[in-house]
Amino acid sequence: NAGVTQTPKFQVLKTGQSMTLQCAQDMNHEYMSWYRQDPGMGLRLIHYSVGAGITDQGEVPNGYNVSRSTTEDFPLRLLSAAPSQTSVYFCASSQQGVSYNEQFFGPGTRLTVL
Amino acid sequence: AQKITQTQPGMFVQEKEAVTLDCTYDTSDPSYGLFWYKQPSSGEMIFLIYQGSYDQQNATEGRYSLNFQKARKSANLVISASQLGDSAMYFCAMRENPGNQFYFGTGTSLTVIP
Repeated sequence: NAGVTQTPKFQVLKTGQSMTLQCAQDMNHEYMSWYRQDPGMGLRLIHYSVGAGITDQGEVPNGYNVSRSTTEDFPLRLLSAAPSQTSVYFCASSQQGVSYNEQFFGPGTRLTVL
Repeated sequence: AQKITQTQPGMFVQEKEAVTLDCTYDTSDPSYGLFWYKQPSSGEMIFLIYQGSYDQQNATEGRYSLNFQKARKSANLVISASQLGDSAMYFCAMRENPGNQFYFGTGTSLTVIP
């Protein structure tokens, strides 16, 4: 099992550019989520999905879009990058619904917006 | 209100000593799960330990134990016999049941001193 994979590992964008962060999992998990991690702020939820075709907003959704066409994939799109979106992005997945299922995290994407 | 509060931004511990990392949580659900994750300087998120709200005993995993005080809504992580490799960020998280969303604290940076 590869677990949760994310690409790219590093990315530098210019203000106004768009891009997609890729996330895939091979554990057949229904629940997938995207977080951003900034110093002193922990992990903040951007968007999440409880299954194919179902997505919802988290704490900090502005400037990001997601879609979930398959169970495996959950890409995060930055529509028009801003310096405030410089951060480390983590994708995570877990079984849905019950509290004892831990989240499995991808290795993260370090994004810099100039 | 914050769902998860970690009040110690940074902690130091002598090698081979025990250390307690604090975590308090806020929920009105009777069923929930509490998690601790470790994030070393390499950046990956590593699951350490889980405690369910109905578990009668404190969870233990090797040198990690969770001091669960339900009435006080605290779930402190205890690391015994600290090692240099324990130097990392530690995050407390909660998942309510039923539900999917994980709530994370802002983390505690632990430094183990030789």
